[in-house]
Amino acid sequence: AQSVTQLDSQVPVFEEAPVELRCNYSSSVSVYLFWYVQYPNQGLQLLLKYLSGSTLVKGINGFEAEFNKSQTSFHLRKPSVHISDTAEYFCAVTRPAGTYKYIFGTGTRLKVLA
Amino acid sequence: EAGVAQSPRYKIIEKRQSVAFWCNPISGHATLYWYQQILGQGPKLLIQFQNNGVVDDSQLPKDRFSAERLKGVDSTLKIQPAKLEDSAVYLCASSLGRTGGDTQYFGPGTRLTVL
Repeated sequence: AQSVTQLDSQVPVFEEAPVELRCNYSSSVSVYLFWYVQYPNQGLQLLLKYLSGSTLVKGINGFEAEFNKSQTSFHLRKPSVHISDTAEYFCAVTRPAGTYKYIFGTGTRLKVLA
Repeated sequence: EAGVAQSPRYKIIEKRQSVAFWCNPISGHATLYWYQQILGQGPKLLIQFQNNGVVDDSQLPKDRFSAERLKGVDSTLKIQPAKLEDSAVYLCASSLGRTGGDTQYFGPGTRLTVL
C-alpha cells in the first residue's frame, strides 16, 4: 500500500521569498505523484504531476517539484511567492495501474505574508 | 469546457437525518470519485466508479452511506442516518479514467454540517 507524509502542516513565508513544501511517500511499487492546490471554499486544482521521465517537473503558477526516488520525496518549490499563493497544498500518490486510487497527504497550509 | 458541478454547496442537518449530494462530472469522463475531507485533513476516497461500475468502495461506511452513478454520468451520494462525525466537505472528482496518471478534476464540494 502507498502512503504520503507532508511534514509541515503550516508554512509562513514573506512575499517574494522562496518556498519549499515537503512531501515524502512510501510504496513498494512504482508510483505517480501529484501536487494539488486548494483555495478557500474551492475544490482541488492540479499544480503538477510526475509520471515518468525527467525528475524535475514544472507546473502552473511558477511551481516546480523534483522526484527523488532514493529519498522517496517529491518536494514542491517556488522561487518567489505571491500573496495569491496563500492556500492549502496537497501531495498525492497513486499507482500507474489498477484502481488509480489517490492517497492524499494531510496538506500544508502556505501563508504568504506581506 | 464546463467543470465538475456539485450541489448543494452547503447543507446543515441534524443527526439521524438523511442527506443527498449530487455530482455532474465533466462530459466524457469515465471515472468518478467521491471524497470526504474533514477539516484539517486531506481528502479520503469514499467510492470510485468506472462508468456504471464500482471500482473501489473499501472506505465507504456502507451501513449509512450509499452512492450510485446512473447511466455512467451523474452520481448521488447519500447518508442515512447522519452522525456528528460526518460533518465534512464532500468532494466529487472525475477523470478520463485511462490510466492512473490522468488528472482528476474536482468540483467545489458540498460542506455538510451535522448538528
